[in-house]
Amino acid sequence: NAGVTQTPKFQVLKTGQSMTLQCAQDMNHEYMSWYRQDPGMGLRLIHYSVGAGITDQGEVPNGYNVSRSTTEDFPLRLLSAAPSQTSVYFCASSPDRVSLGYTFGSGTRLTVV
Amino acid sequence: GENVEQHPSTLSVQEGDSAVIKCTYSDSASNYFPWYKQELGKRPQLIIDIRSNVGEKKDQRIAVTLNKTAKHFSLHITETQPEDSAVYFCAATFSGNTPLVFGKGTRLSVIA
Repeated sequence: NAGVTQTPKFQVLKTGQSMTLQCAQDMNHEYMSWYRQDPGMGLRLIHYSVGAGITDQGEVPNGYNVSRSTTEDFPLRLLSAAPSQTSVYFCASSPDRVSLGYTFGSGTRLTVV
Repeated sequence: GENVEQHPSTLSVQEGDSAVIKCTYSDSASNYFPWYKQELGKRPQLIIDIRSNVGEKKDQRIAVTLNKTAKHFSLHITETQPEDSAVYFCAATFSGNTPLVFGKGTRLSVIA
């Protein structure tokens, strides 16, 4: 049982490049979310999913896309990277919205130059 | 809108003293309030949570209190130790399917 696995751990992109941050969980959790963490800003919700095939936008969705084709995987796509997307990205999962709190992945530190 | 305010943003205490972090939320329908601890370079980890039908919950040196009328909840850490130094986040659920909304965090420093 690996919990929530995020890859890569570190990434440097050039402005305009695209990439996908991977998130996988092996706990059969329905809820999965992506947050970004910036100094002094806390954890801000980017996108979330309440189950396979269902996604919705959070507080800061612009510049990001998601899909949820399986229960296990919830990738986050950066369409055209910008320096403002330099951040630490966390994926989280839970059995449902409120039952046991979230399990977070170890994070991806992204730098856009 | 959905909002969680957290105070203070930084907190320094002497080892052995108590620390209190407070959060307020905007939706009276909120019913789940977890607290997370994040050590430097690590992921946030759940340390304690409380539901709306409970006023207080304790786990060893950590306690959380909830005042639904005033829409605020607090984290209390007693007999602080250097290993309590970290960033603490409060969070709350809101109506609909929206996941947890987090406060901006409190950086706690315990001075030996």
